[in-house]
Amino acid sequence: EAQVTQNPRYLITVTGKKLTVTCSQNMNHEYMSWYRQDPGLGLRQIYYSMNVEVTDKGDVPEGYKVSRKEKRNFPLILESPSPNQTSLYFCASSLFEGWETQYFGPGTRLLVL
Amino acid sequence: AQKVTQAQTEISVVEKEDVTLDCVYETRDTTYYLFWYKQPPSGELVFLIRRNSFDEQNEISGRYSWNFQKSTSSFNFTITASQVVDSAVYFCALSGPIGGRRALTFGSGTRLQVQP
Repeated sequence: EAQVTQNPRYLITVTGKKLTVTCSQNMNHEYMSWYRQDPGLGLRQIYYSMNVEVTDKGDVPEGYKVSRKEKRNFPLILESPSPNQTSLYFCASSLFEGWETQYFGPGTRLLVL
Repeated sequence: AQKVTQAQTEISVVEKEDVTLDCVYETRDTTYYLFWYKQPPSGELVFLIRRNSFDEQNEISGRYSWNFQKSTSSFNFTITASQVVDSAVYFCALSGPIGGRRALTFGSGTRLQVQP
């Protein structure tokens, strides 16, 4: 089944404790992206990757890191999480950048205390 | 800059009523794509439709229909004979150029509650 998977689905952590949210897709998509969803703001792009080893900032990259060492994986790293990073996070992938439909993972709910 | 506005924050209807969700967008580009996604209470985002800026034909898929009007920069979504399972947050999104890249800009979403 074609899908985007994320882990963990739920995470409670404390300020400053490094964490990684994994994202994997099995559709051989070139483009992958991370978004955060906050009430009243819709989804905002954090980082994106057009291909392996090619990543760039989205609209709200501060406090996040990403890497794309393999085509299928695109982990999101919070080196020192803060309470304002409490949010619902989505990973997405599409065949190419821009025009193509992006397919989303199930989401990761993060609470930073 | 591009922008998507979903002015209706929340809509409540009774089952079998028709409901229209509004989406107004702003872009300077002549080539762009518009999308609708559904987010049910379980939280995942489900793709519903993609429409390019050169195709203004209305589209119907079962109880769902979409009205794209370039003249008013709107891409409205209508659910006919709504059902409880239609209860969700619906997002409209625009794919266009932002700072040299093509990015997806989302509206803030409309929460639809369908009462039995």
